[in-house]
Amino acid sequence: QQQVKQSPQSLIVQKGGISIINCAYENTAFDYFPWYQQFPGKGPALLIAIRPDVSEKKEGRFTISFNKSAKQFSLHIMDSQPGDSATYFCAAIIQGAQKLVFGQGTRLTINP
Amino acid sequence: DTGVSQNPRHKITKRGQNVTFRCDPISEHNRLYWYRQTLGQGPEFLTYFQNEAQLEKSRLLSDRFSAERPKGSFSTLEIQRTEQGDSAMYLCASSLPRAAAGSPLHFGNGTRLTVT
Repeated sequence: QQQVKQSPQSLIVQKGGISIINCAYENTAFDYFPWYQQFPGKGPALLIAIRPDVSEKKEGRFTISFNKSAKQFSLHIMDSQPGDSATYFCAAIIQGAQKLVFGQGTRLTINP
Repeated sequence: DTGVSQNPRHKITKRGQNVTFRCDPISEHNRLYWYRQTLGQGPEFLTYFQNEAQLEKSRLLSDRFSAERPKGSFSTLEIQRTEQGDSAMYLCASSLPRAAAGSPLHFGNGTRLTVT
């Protein structure tokens, strides 16, 4: 089963708050988990990624938390800004395979 | 701009017509991917090229769809006898050879197809 489930579908956060988006997967063969950010009219852009041998990865205001036993991972955006308003996709890929499997996406709105 | 380039950005066509999209990948990337994205959904894999060889095709890619990558550079995606269900954003991505899982995909801004 190559499926990634993402929640929530939409999220509204006040400026300066923490945005949290969650993903769950079923296939334990997945070994790379990227997050993509997509603005309207644009293609997805890689934001941050993690491998399952690491429990957390931080890049600036963006942090991925990874729970291998629960087969879940999440994106945390600290000090959320209006410019972070976009659709976020989690994804997963199996080593040796060529296709990313995407979640359904979360539309994030940061209110000023 | 040395990113992935896709043309046209928008295409409106009548049902039954053929359409062709073009993708120019980042020059040093030998891997090229086509994805389809419908409104409110994540991108879905369609097909993948390594250089000029098409190595994998999704079940989503019906017989009406064909992709080529002559000479391992740009790629085209053709849809014959378009149907309203083909309306979507068609995304192209490219990447470097992946020594281990994780070479990031760089996406273009897509071609939005509307079939009337």
